[in-house]
Amino acid sequence: GAGVSQSPRYKVAKRGQDVALRCDPISGHVSLFWYQQALGQGPEFLTYFQNEAQLDKSGLPSDRFFAERPEGSVSTLKIQRTQQEDSAVYLCASSLVQGVHEQYFGPGTRLTVT
Amino acid sequence: AQSVTQLGSHVSVSEGALVLLRCNYSSSVPPYLFWYVQYPNQGLQLLLKYTTGATLVKGINGFEAEFKKSETSFHLTKPSAHMSDAAEYFCAVSAPGYGNNRLAFGKGNQVVVIP
Repeated sequence: GAGVSQSPRYKVAKRGQDVALRCDPISGHVSLFWYQQALGQGPEFLTYFQNEAQLDKSGLPSDRFFAERPEGSVSTLKIQRTQQEDSAVYLCASSLVQGVHEQYFGPGTRLTVT
Repeated sequence: AQSVTQLGSHVSVSEGALVLLRCNYSSSVPPYLFWYVQYPNQGLQLLLKYTTGATLVKGINGFEAEFKKSETSFHLTKPSAHMSDAAEYFCAVSAPGYGNNRLAFGKGNQVVVIP
C-alpha cells in the first residue's frame, strides 16, 4: 500500500519568501507528526495532530511556522518569511493511533533558503 | 522530558564484524525506545522497538537491542555486518503512556562498512 508522501521533495526559496510543504499520511492514520532535521542532526519534533486537532505545537521554533490539518488527513506546514536557519529536511510521520503504534515516515522535503 | 545520547557520529565496521551502536536515554517515566535507520534521500524506517515486556527485542535485517533499565541503555547490535547496513541509525525515546507521543531522537550514527 502507499506510504507517507511529501511534496515537494526539494524546495529552494529566497530569504523572505513563504513556503508550503505538504504531507499525505497513510490512509486512516489518526496521528500526524512534523519533524525538522538539520544537516548532521537527528530529527527534532515540531508539532502533532490527532485527526484535525493540533494537540502539541510546542516544537515550532517561531511564530513564522504554522501547521494545519483541516480535514484530518492531508497536512500542510507553512513557513513565512523564510530565513537561512530554516534550511533543513522536514519530515512528516503518521501513525494509526497515538502511542505504541509505529510512526511511518515520509521521504521528507529538503528546504534550502538562499 | 525525554532525551537520548548517541556517541560517536561515525562508526566504521568491517564486513562480517559485529555492529554495536550505543544509546543511552533519560526519562523520568517508563520509556518506549526505538531504533530507526535512514538511507540516503529516504525517510526513517523502524528497525525495532521496546515498549514493555521482554527486554531483548529483535528487529529487521538481523538487528537486536536490549533494554537495560539499570544502565538507562538501549544498545543496538548485529552479529555480522553486511555492506547493505551502511546507513544512518537513530535511537529515539517517547513516553506515550504519559501523554508524550513525540519521538526525541539522538544525533545519529553514520555507519560505514569496510569490505
